[in-house]
Amino acid sequence: EVQLVESGGGLVKPGGSLKLSCAASGFTFSNYIMNWVRQAPGKGLEWVSSFSSGDAYIDYADSVKGRFTISRDHAKNSLYLQMNNLRAEDTALYYCVREKNPKDYYDFLTNKWRSNWSDLWGQGTPVTVSS
Amino acid sequence: SYELTQPPSVSVSPGQTARITCSGDALSKKYAYWYQQKSGQAPVLVIYEDTKRPSGIPERFSGSSSGTVATLTINGAQVEDEAGYYCYSTDSNDNHRLFGGGTKLTVL
Repeated sequence: EVQLVESGGGLVKPGGSLKLSCAASGFTFSNYIMNWVRQAPGKGLEWVSSFSSGDAYIDYADSVKGRFTISRDHAKNSLYLQMNNLRAEDTALYYCVREKNPKDYYDFLTNKWRSNWSDLWGQGTPVTVSS
Repeated sequence: SYELTQPPSVSVSPGQTARITCSGDALSKKYAYWYQQKSGQAPVLVIYEDTKRPSGIPERFSGSSSGTVATLTINGAQVEDEAGYYCYSTDSNDNHRLFGGGTKLTVL
């Protein structure tokens, strides 16, 4: 079965650390860009970080840059998110997300650019930062 | 920084047409994508590249775009369509992934 299963969430004090894991199965993990996306309670979706399929690039949202580190282990089909110096505003459900990229990024018919988009989501792991 | 702006809420009666807008400067050059998120569930893609519908998504869902505004339309909204809807695109400058703030659709 094609799926993503997150783990590692929990309660941590401000300034603390936590490492999230995401186990991928049912597809060739190394072929895909993988992301972390979070959702604070009652709020919208926020992209957190991306790790490219060929390990060519890593990117972070400004809100987590310098505090969070994304990594992946192709042998274990796993994605990770090391979160340090956690703040109350990091409290959220953290989703592991597989990303699909289009065949061609530029559409000459409409003169518009396509984006990568998320085609598979885990169920999320909750992180609560509170004293 | 670049933003995608959606109305916080839209409310319709069953069978009516619901329209949810998403505005952002880059949408004149970049496609919009739409996700549906029902309570307690992970998001599901309902529209990609402004107007295309993935397989399995009901025909009552459609998308359009004009200038810097993308619109998700649900013709004949059903009670089961009640959900949060998020537009998505990427920043023109740094390709950062970006979600709109989300719109809560109420059908009752």
